[in-house]
Amino acid sequence: DGGITQSPKYLFRKEGQNVTLSCEQNLNHDAMYWYRQDPGQGLRLIYYSQIVNDFQKGDIAEGYSVSREKKESFPLTVTSAQKNPTAFYLCASSIDLDYSYEQYFGPGTRLTVT
Amino acid sequence: GDSVTQMEGPVTLSEEACLTINCTYTATGYPSLFWYVQYPGEGLQLLLKATKADDKGSNKGFEATYRKETTSFHLEKGSVQVSDSAVYFCALSDLGSSASKIIFGSGTRLSIRP
Repeated sequence: DGGITQSPKYLFRKEGQNVTLSCEQNLNHDAMYWYRQDPGQGLRLIYYSQIVNDFQKGDIAEGYSVSREKKESFPLTVTSAQKNPTAFYLCASSIDLDYSYEQYFGPGTRLTVT
Repeated sequence: GDSVTQMEGPVTLSEEACLTINCTYTATGYPSLFWYVQYPGEGLQLLLKATKADDKGSNKGFEATYRKETTSFHLEKGSVQVSDSAVYFCALSDLGSSASKIIFGSGTRLSIRP
């Protein structure tokens, strides 16, 4: 079955440590996205990528970094510079940016930093 | 800029009740409109969409009509089930913008009592 996988489902880190969240898709989609979801709020776009080796900042990119070395993979690193890293992180993909309206989401990773 | 406003939750209904979740939007172009659903502990799933004025999207008994004159896209279901308990997000994508992406509302939590 095609889809998006994110691992792990739950992640715990100490303050000051960088942490990398995994996102893999086997849908052959060109575009991939990272969102952050906080309680009672909608999704906010962190980064997106329309093709391998290319990515763009979203609305809240500060304190985050990404890479897109393979079409299937779009890992997100939450750095120690991110002031409020505890959140639910969702990865998504679409055929390409022209079809960004139809995104397929992974199950999410809940990150807790203490 | 473009934005989506949806009714605040939580919304609590009894099984078989009628549901309406209001959604209005602001956009400079001609957006496509969507409803996404997020079941507990999971990522978002596209529920339905409408790409032009007067289009009606429907899926799983849910419907929403793209009303350009009132800039609305209200979600409706005639008879809800306990399994419909989830968070519902209204969203738009303005394909005419320079960087196509989805703009999400803040979400409405729906709880259905047996």
